[in-house]
Amino acid sequence: DAKTTQPTSMDCAEGRAANLPCNHSTISGNEYVYWYRQIHSQGPQYIIHGLKNNETNEMASLIITEDRKSSTLILPHATLRDTAVYYCIVKSTGTASKLTFGTGTRLQVTL
Amino acid sequence: DTGVSQDPRHKITKRGQNVTFRCDPISEHNRLYWYRQTLGQGPEFLTYFQNEAQLEKSRLLSDRFSAERPKGSFSTLEIQRTEQGDSAMYLCASSLVSGQSNQPQHFGDGTRLSIL
Repeated sequence: DAKTTQPTSMDCAEGRAANLPCNHSTISGNEYVYWYRQIHSQGPQYIIHGLKNNETNEMASLIITEDRKSSTLILPHATLRDTAVYYCIVKSTGTASKLTFGTGTRLQVTL
Repeated sequence: DTGVSQDPRHKITKRGQNVTFRCDPISEHNRLYWYRQTLGQGPEFLTYFQNEAQLEKSRLLSDRFSAERPKGSFSTLEIQRTEQGDSAMYLCASSLVSGQSNQPQHFGDGTRLSIL
């Protein structure tokens, strides 16, 4: 599975949009981009995933560039409860089933 | 609650003791995964089951570790002769896989193991 690169940390003011970038320049055609987050002392929480089209659900939006080499997770109105470590993961749908986590981006939402 | 359930949430034991953790996946999920997470790091894959068959094991899973999913429902992870380095959060996840579907894995809140 392709490796991903994320900033170590980011800050965001409450009520503003949080835009979390992820680079995955070696992504291949059958690999999806998944986003998870992990709030302190909890297990990772699935947020969203996509292949090449932009995706939106009740939690977030996922914007994938046309060349698929990078993506951005958007939390449209961040709240204090969105403070967490956000992981961007690239995974194929083939036989490789495991998720390979990096160290993620620590998002701090402030008042 | 229909999410992934793990028991116990916390386990403190002395070095050299055996420990066993249990994971109850989301009902009807056919895949079950175990991960380990140490402080400041992302989770690392240990092993996974498709129904009752254990299909992949990481090199992280030493001989002291064994996992089972006897009836294709709940799973247990046992660590024998625990060592200081086994201190970590042990996470379980489950997913429903059929054909080339890409349903996400859903995680429990883990069992935190502390070795004295």
